[in-house]
Amino acid sequence: GESVGLHLPTLSVQEGDNSIINCAYSNSASDYFIWYKQESGKGPQFIIDIRSNMDKRQGQRVTVLLNKTVKHLSLQIAATQPGDSAVYFCAENNDWGGKLIFGQGTELSVKP
Amino acid sequence: EPEVTQTPSHQVTQMGQEVILRCVPISNHLYFYWYRQILGQKVEFLVSFYNNEISEKSEIFDDQFSVERPDGSNFTLKIRSTKLEDSAMYFCASSYGLAGITDTQYFGPGTRLTVL
Repeated sequence: GESVGLHLPTLSVQEGDNSIINCAYSNSASDYFIWYKQESGKGPQFIIDIRSNMDKRQGQRVTVLLNKTVKHLSLQIAATQPGDSAVYFCAENNDWGGKLIFGQGTELSVKP
Repeated sequence: EPEVTQTPSHQVTQMGQEVILRCVPISNHLYFYWYRQILGQKVEFLVSFYNNEISEKSEIFDDQFSVERPDGSNFTLKIRSTKLEDSAMYFCASSYGLAGITDTQYFGPGTRLTVL
């Protein structure tokens, strides 16, 4: 069945280091992937997205990599800051209705 | 910057009571969604809405749930007879185009529903 999952439930990094958050998906028909950041008590906040015809996309301090061969998605955050501390979700879309399927989430903790 | 807003931020209700959760999507958006998140779990899709009708709904969205766009700005989720297991954060989202095809979904801050 459809599922999007994250490898690690928690990730702790030192301020200034780079962070890598991973995500595995099982539906090879998925063609759109998004990373969301969720701070405590708030709704998911869009970070970056990528379509299946790309394997890399860069934003400000963030990069998303897509490996369709092994159905793997990653989010790289450069020079991680305390404000990056949050739960990060990957989500996928594989139909024409806009429904997003979310993964379990990885909690990123940044140590000063 | 435009944002999705939701009211109330927290709703407490007795089991069996009806609740209405309200959302104001971003003004020029055309596609509207409800998701829920049970504490500590992942975000789950409930329903999508376009052109005044439901586009898609999940298994969670049974006959106890309904959605409505009563005017040009609000989008509501009604639960007719709440159950204990309906306790969760409910997120509204909207997009200008069809998410995944032409546009991104933006989420509101959520309404925490507590059913006693």
